[in-house]
Amino acid sequence: RKEVEQDPGPFNVPEGATVAFNCTYSNSASQSFFWYRQDCRKEPKLLMSVYSSGNEDGRFTAQLNRASQYISLLIRDSKLSDSATYLCVVNGGGGADGLTFGKGTHLIIQP
Amino acid sequence: DADVTQTPRNRITKTGKRIMLECSQTKGHDRMYWYRQDPGLGLRLIYYSFDVKDINKGEISDGYSVSRQAQAKFSLSLESAIPNQTALYFCATSEAPGLAEQYFGPGTRLTVT
Repeated sequence: RKEVEQDPGPFNVPEGATVAFNCTYSNSASQSFFWYRQDCRKEPKLLMSVYSSGNEDGRFTAQLNRASQYISLLIRDSKLSDSATYLCVVNGGGGADGLTFGKGTHLIIQP
Repeated sequence: DADVTQTPRNRITKTGKRIMLECSQTKGHDRMYWYRQDPGLGLRLIYYSFDVKDINKGEISDGYSVSRQAQAKFSLSLESAIPNQTALYFCATSEAPGLAEQYFGPGTRLTVT
């Protein structure tokens, strides 16, 4: 049973374009959701938390759909520096403190 | 200075050797974790600790052991390293359960030959 699923990509997107990807989760009791960013061979870092009402941080927008059990990340006006792997993290599955990490979606922004 | 540090950053060792990976944090967090990351498999939890007297097995604890020497220090040991333990190892901390951000160290790249 895959608790958190992501399309591994890679998503190849031209600079300046808008890109979106989703993450599905299996535990309907999950309460908190996050997007982490991981650069190649570096540690994951929190990009943003995902709230029920959705939230926006500059060019990044995260949304939660509880009925369909998925969260999404939208990146507008993509920059070369957005190239990274984006990890979906959900509370309510296995792992310490109930946090389960997705395997990540690899994004490549092309000039 | 980094809040979560790991040593060594890179290590090559031979099958059967004992190796220790160390993690230190200056964030004052009680909760600490060890993960390994393999290509295509994502982050997998090895062990975690909620305070100095608390140690818990994670998803893939076989072949590993840990020691929580102090609030700030959490070490991971491979008693007898084997090649399939070649991976990128991350230590992480968090302040509170579940809802809070996890702060990761820079990682240790371990190769077992």
